[in-house]
Amino acid sequence: QKEVEQDPGPLSVPEGAIVSLNCTYSNSAFQYFMWYRQYSRKGPELLMYTYSSGNKEDGRFTAQVDKSSKYISLFIRDSQPSDSATYLCAMSHATLNTGNQFYFGTGTSLTVIP
Amino acid sequence: DTEVTQTPKHLVMGMTNKKSLKCEQHMGHRAMYWYKQKAKKPPELMFVYSYEKLSINESVPSRFSPECPNSSLLNLHLHALQPEDSALYLCASSQRLGRRGASGTGELFFGEGSRLTVL
Repeated sequence: QKEVEQDPGPLSVPEGAIVSLNCTYSNSAFQYFMWYRQYSRKGPELLMYTYSSGNKEDGRFTAQVDKSSKYISLFIRDSQPSDSATYLCAMSHATLNTGNQFYFGTGTSLTVIP
Repeated sequence: DTEVTQTPKHLVMGMTNKKSLKCEQHMGHRAMYWYKQKAKKPPELMFVYSYEKLSINESVPSRFSPECPNSSLLNLHLHALQPEDSALYLCASSQRLGRRGASGTGELFFGEGSRLTVL
């Protein structure tokens, strides 16, 4: 079983729709949860970061973490064509000697149709 | 704009060439990383430097040689690469190192990447 599972999509939605992206994980030691947006041939851009459980909102983006279910979500409201990209979830736990180990989902490809 | 800067953005090299990728960050982070990313795949960890010391080498072939001259700089020296090494090479940095009593965040910040093509 992979540490982090993410539906690769592709996901195609009309402009203005609410988008829901999800990841599940198996390691209960994960404490830090991240969502990245990656445009084609560019590096991943950190969108949202959450420590432990709870919700975090930033503009049109909301990140949710449910540690009891080992499930994280990213919601995009009023989606725009510029949101078309691959979205990667990532998570980590701090280890004593080697620092953070980061584990990535496979990424979900999103297209927002004008 | 990302605060992790990578150069060059694009690199084409032959299998006998020697080249280097460079990375710089000024966020005061003490962990720096090299990742390799193939198309439609997540980043794959290659090396981690923690306080300028190599702490993780994910069984990367010796034709890739990392170097961390100081806390802000990270290099990846390339020699005798193969065409299958063509990929996007990503540098990243993070603050928290998991040491007892350490505080800080667990975010990982990436650079824009260096796209490498090996002919």
